[in-house]
Amino acid sequence: GAVVSQHPSWVICKSGTSVKIECRSLDFQATTMFWYRQFPKQSLMLMATSNEGSKATYEQGVEKDKFLINHASLTLSTLTVTSAHPEDSSFYICSASESWNYGYTFGSGTRLTVV
Amino acid sequence: DQQVKQNSPSLSVQEGRISILNCDYTNSMFDYFLWYKKYPAEGPTFLISISSIKDKNEDGRFTVFLNKSAKHLSLHIVPSQPGDSAVYFCAASARRGSTLGRLYFGRGTQLTVWP
Repeated sequence: GAVVSQHPSWVICKSGTSVKIECRSLDFQATTMFWYRQFPKQSLMLMATSNEGSKATYEQGVEKDKFLINHASLTLSTLTVTSAHPEDSSFYICSASESWNYGYTFGSGTRLTVV
Repeated sequence: DQQVKQNSPSLSVQEGRISILNCDYTNSMFDYFLWYKKYPAEGPTFLISISSIKDKNEDGRFTVFLNKSAKHLSLHIVPSQPGDSAVYFCAASARRGSTLGRLYFGRGTQLTVWP
């Protein structure tokens, strides 16, 4: 089945620094990838839709200058949290779909802690 | 505005019994529904899905029922096993041709199966 690899699985960074999270589709091409954020005991909140070769589409309330998304190839999308602050600490998850009848495959997630 | 609702944050079931997880939605445009299972610090794993043209889909111990008139779906797990203990997310989408649109998630239900 489809596999989505997400790295790193956890990261601790200092306030004010930037962190990059990678999401790769290992055995299929994904023209569209999605980035989610999950707070404790909350649902998965869609942050943005990453489109290969074009600008990402951000959900309302998500700062595009803070959460930079790049989808440079059909197998790689990156999320960069710029000038991270403690309130950015969260669990970030990416997903992609090989075809609609398989639903979406999710990465293993990245636990970001900003200190 | 939560378009997909899981009103029970938790469910506790004895091993061997049936687990029934419920989900309601408000958007009549949704025509594809999915259930995901999630362990802490991991990405969601696809379990089972159902199209709006069906009212039931079965896969091993998992069965999803869809009641379109009530905008309600449920996931049945029979028999429940301790390894089923996890958070279960209901998700819905409005397909565009052969493309699966973005997913809308419920808040999840924590299922605990005790021996």
